[in-house]
Amino acid sequence: GNSVTQMEGPVTLSEEAFLTINCTYTATGYPSLFWYVQYPGEGLQLLLKATKADDKGSNKGFEATYRKETTSFHLEKGSVQVSDSAVYFCALSGRGSNYKLTFGKGTLLTVNP
Amino acid sequence: DTEVTQTPKHLVMGMTNKKSLKCEQHMGHRAMYWYKQKAKKPPELMFVYSYEKLSINESVPSRFSPECPNSSLLNLHLHALQPEDSALYLCASSRVPQDAYGDQPQHFGDGTRLSIL
Repeated sequence: GNSVTQMEGPVTLSEEAFLTINCTYTATGYPSLFWYVQYPGEGLQLLLKATKADDKGSNKGFEATYRKETTSFHLEKGSVQVSDSAVYFCALSGRGSNYKLTFGKGTLLTVNP
Repeated sequence: DTEVTQTPKHLVMGMTNKKSLKCEQHMGHRAMYWYKQKAKKPPELMFVYSYEKLSINESVPSRFSPECPNSSLLNLHLHALQPEDSALYLCASSRVPQDAYGDQPQHFGDGTRLSIL
């Protein structure tokens, strides 16, 4: 079946530091890949997505590239802000009978001023 | 602001109570989902409605009863819950059911935080 593995953290950074959260996946076929963010006390928000190999998703300064050869979808941001403190979930959705959204365990990011 | 609205935001109930959670979206989405999320864990899928029909039940206990009165509304009826059912309940919707294309993102509400006494 499908699975997602992401670094669990917690990750603590200073403001303006570079962020990488690793995500690798196992899936049959060609899944779509997503990053969701959950701020304290809120639901999940779609941060970015990529639907085919070599696609780059980007939003709010965050980027992730769909790497089929390494089955990875690492999240990066060049300069984090305190407001980026949240839990980040990597997720995939397969095709056909594997369409359910499969989440990684989540990574808690804390950015200090 | 989220486009999926859930009410109430918080709910405290006893094990013998009956209550309902409500979810509403006006994006024209035809797939709606219920998830359960425990602290520091990812969401776990409970139910999927596709074109107002229940298409997936992830072996959820019968004390949880979903209902989809129309394409914009989704309810979750609760009865005789257990303390371990305390969690954040999230509703989500997507433009089409995931099995059609697999690439439709799900849009989540802010959830109902449920506490069972």
